[in-house]
Amino acid sequence: QKEVEQNSGPLSVPEGAIASLNCTYSDRGSQSFFWYRQYSGKSPELIMSIYSNGDKEDGRFTAQLNKASQYVSLLIRDSQPSDSATYLCAPAGANSKLTFGKGITLSVRP
Amino acid sequence: GAVVSQHPSRVICKSGTSVKIECRSLDFQATTMFWYRQFPKQSLMLMATSNEGSKATYEQGVEKDKFLINHASLTLSTLTVTSAHPEDSSFYICSASSALSYNSPLHFGNGTRLTVT
Repeated sequence: QKEVEQNSGPLSVPEGAIASLNCTYSDRGSQSFFWYRQYSGKSPELIMSIYSNGDKEDGRFTAQLNKASQYVSLLIRDSQPSDSATYLCAPAGANSKLTFGKGITLSVRP
Repeated sequence: GAVVSQHPSRVICKSGTSVKIECRSLDFQATTMFWYRQFPKQSLMLMATSNEGSKATYEQGVEKDKFLINHASLTLSTLTVTSAHPEDSSFYICSASSALSYNSPLHFGNGTRLTVT
């Protein structure tokens, strides 16, 4: 069983819309999660960290962690074409090798 | 913020030669670094976990004698692709997290694009 399932995507939204990217996870012991963004031909970069239940906002990005339902989400408001990329969610922890799945590919249409 | 430097960014080599890729954590210590490979339009695939002072742990299907990993210090891990062949052409990426915190995120190098002719 995969550690994290990336449930949505590929996702296409018009410019200015809200993009909602969702992951579910199986390990109830996972306490914190990270969201990474990978542009085509580039390496991943960390964009959001969430360490507790609830929402965390950073500019146009909001990360949500729901431990009861075991899902983590990333909302991107006012989506821009520059947000077009693959997004990867992963739990924190020394045992997290970040065996990424395919990630969630987001395309923002101008 | 934490920086991981990967070098070289791009390398072209002839079939049968070896290529060494370096991954350095510039402002933090990393007891563990990870090496990934990514083919065009495919997922990032973990190749091995590099542990400072001990042998690397390879993922299933990754040849340890072909992809030599050395993690000699808390800030440097190297990946050597030995006897490279055209099918080894890929995008190789390393990552590391701080040894100080269990909840530290991974920080990625910029990757090395290897082309074997």
